[in-house]
Amino acid sequence: SYELTQPPSVSVSPGQTASITCSGDKLGQGYVCWYQQKPGQSPVLVIYQDSKRPSGIPERFSGSNSGNTATLTITGTRAMDEADYYCQAWDRTAKRYVFGAGTKVTVL
Amino acid sequence: QVQLQESGPGLVKPSQTLSLTCTVSGGSISSGGYYWGWIRQQPGKGLEWIGYIYETESTYYSPPLKSRVTISADPSMNQFSLRLSSVTAADTAVYYCARASGAYSDNWFDSWGQGTLVTVSS
Repeated sequence: SYELTQPPSVSVSPGQTASITCSGDKLGQGYVCWYQQKPGQSPVLVIYQDSKRPSGIPERFSGSNSGNTATLTITGTRAMDEADYYCQAWDRTAKRYVFGAGTKVTVL
Repeated sequence: QVQLQESGPGLVKPSQTLSLTCTVSGGSISSGGYYWGWIRQQPGKGLEWIGYIYETESTYYSPPLKSRVTISADPSMNQFSLRLSSVTAADTAVYYCARASGAYSDNWFDSWGQGTLVTVSS
C-alpha cells in the first residue's frame, strides 16, 4: 500500500526555520496538503495543493512538492507553532487519501 | 464560517454498528462544490480517511473499510452520518467529520468538527 513517510520529530529554536519532509513514491505527481494538530484539538489545514495557504494561515508557513518529497517549511518559528504536522496525499492505486504518521515539532 | 459538530454514542459493543451524525451550521450540505466526510484517529496515532459524500448522493469510501462503511446525508436537517458495522477494538478512535474542498482525488479538508471519541468495548 502507498505510504507517506515523515520524520517522527523536528526540533527548532524560536525564530529559526523548521523543515518537515513527507516522502512517497512519485509524490510530486500529485498534490499534497498539510495539517497542524495541537494536543486535544482538531487538525487545522495549513497548506493545500502543495503550496497554497488558506486564509488566516500566517505567511511563515510555506510548502513545496517535487519528485518523491514534499516539504512544509515554517520560517521564523514561534512557540505557538509547536504541534504535530501531518501530510496528506492521494493514493492513485487504492483510490483513497493517505496521511503521513505525523511529525512532532518542538520549539526549544 | 461553517461549523461541524459530531454526535453519537461514545461506547459501542464489539460486532455492533457504530453510528455518528455530523450537524453542519453556517453552510448547506446541499450546496455544490463540497465533500462531507469522516476521518478517524486512533489513540496516539495518525489520521485515517474513512470516506465522504458529495452533493448528498455520491459516496466514496476508503477501500479497506468499504465493506463496513455507509455515509449518508439528510439535507432537511443539514446533517450527514457515518455507519460502521461489525466493529472491533481496532475501531476505537476519535472520529472527526470534516468538509473537503477541491475535486475528487485532489481534496483538502478545510473545516473540521471537534471530534468524538468512540470506544469499542463490551
